[in-house]
Amino acid sequence: QIQLVESGGGVVQPGGSLTLSCAASGFTISGYGMHWLRQAPGKGLKWVAFIQFDGSDENYVDSVKGRFTVSRDFSKNMLYLQMNSLRVEDTAVYYCAKYNWNDVGWFDPWGQGTLVTVSS
Amino acid sequence: QSALTQPASVSGSPGQSITISCTGTSSDVGAYNYVSWYQQFPGKAPNLIIFGVTKRPSGVSNRFSGSKSGNTASLTISGLQIEDEADYYCNSYTRSKTWVFGGGTKLTVL
Repeated sequence: QIQLVESGGGVVQPGGSLTLSCAASGFTISGYGMHWLRQAPGKGLKWVAFIQFDGSDENYVDSVKGRFTVSRDFSKNMLYLQMNSLRVEDTAVYYCAKYNWNDVGWFDPWGQGTLVTVSS
Repeated sequence: QSALTQPASVSGSPGQSITISCTGTSSDVGAYNYVSWYQQFPGKAPNLIIFGVTKRPSGVSNRFSGSKSGNTASLTISGLQIEDEADYYCNSYTRSKTWVFGGGTKLTVL
């Protein structure tokens, strides 16, 4: 059974840093691209970041470029999102998702999410 | 990286059919067949219901179907059921090698 479990969310002051983790089971992340997505309270879904299975490609939404970094630990089958210089507008539930590919791509499954609150 | 355009809300009665539109541009929806749709219940993570514009994952009811014409994709739910009441989001890959979601549509089953 493929499962993703996020952790590491919490309350942080503006300008602070936080690292989110995503534990994968039922598959090896070294074989798949992985995404981070977020949803501000009461708002819609937003794509945040992507890392290709072999690390050959990374991309970020403009609003987090230079502040957020995606990384992986294959030995632990874990995905991470390092978030620096956090802003109030980064407050959201953050989800990790497996990227599936068969001529077209899609996000499935998603983790249950972890809440990040940026507030003074 | 502008969001795709979806109606904020749609409604229908049990047994009816509804369609949710998702309008993008020639740089996203119109450029690729990478449109996917997600269903989200309150307080829950999104679940995939359509990928590759028209494909349905195993386990998803055949009452859900997808299509695309030009820069607009659509999700149709036929034979509406009370349990279909949820938020629905479309997503597309873009020429900028990013992904973009629609603003979401709240489906109310009256």
